[in-house]
Amino acid sequence: EMVLTQSPATLSVSPGESATLSCRASQSVSSYLTWYQHKPGQAPRLLIYGASTRATGVPARFSGSGSGTEFTLTISSLQSEDFAFYYCQEYNNWPPWTFGQGTKVEIK
Amino acid sequence: QVHLVESGGGVVQPGWSLRLSCTGSGFSFSAYAMHWVRQAPGKGPEWVALMSYDGTNKFYGDSIKGRFTISRDNSRDTLYLQMDSLRTDDTALYFCARDPGSGVLDYWGQGTLVTVSS
Repeated sequence: EMVLTQSPATLSVSPGESATLSCRASQSVSSYLTWYQHKPGQAPRLLIYGASTRATGVPARFSGSGSGTEFTLTISSLQSEDFAFYYCQEYNNWPPWTFGQGTKVEIK
Repeated sequence: QVHLVESGGGVVQPGWSLRLSCTGSGFSFSAYAMHWVRQAPGKGPEWVALMSYDGTNKFYGDSIKGRFTISRDNSRDTLYLQMDSLRTDDTALYFCARDPGSGVLDYWGQGTLVTVSS
């Protein structure tokens, strides 16, 4: 069974600073990993697919990296609209599709 | 633009049934596979089910297999989730999401809340 472990659970960051979120897979997913942003009451938004490719319309301050079992989402110069929950999800060998437990990025 | 709207959620008792709907607009609904994903309070998302663009293939998550049925009506641009024998641990926000065939869920709806409680 695939498990995705995200860390930290909560990240407190000041506007303008950068944030680094981690996602670790229990087995290799190659580069078949996505990152989503979710604000309560809104539709989740695809940010990154293929571990490092930004989805349409996603600002360049969002970047993804990694392959295999270790992945990182970096948000440089956090804007007010970036404070949200972030989830990683793998699609290497579906079904099923597995999600991480999420990281909450909050204002410090 | 792409828009997905879920409906049909509500408060039901254990053992009851509920049918969720997801209507798509702004894209060619019949060309896309569609997923249901749920998120229980305080937990990460959990994948529930997938239906292929033409309805010929269906996949289910282990926790709902045998109780939930995914279907679609491409003439109505609508995806369904029939949920039977509901349990308290099915309480969650249920989302539908579009998949262009790559396994990436590229657009999501805002979700509909299902609460199972006695």
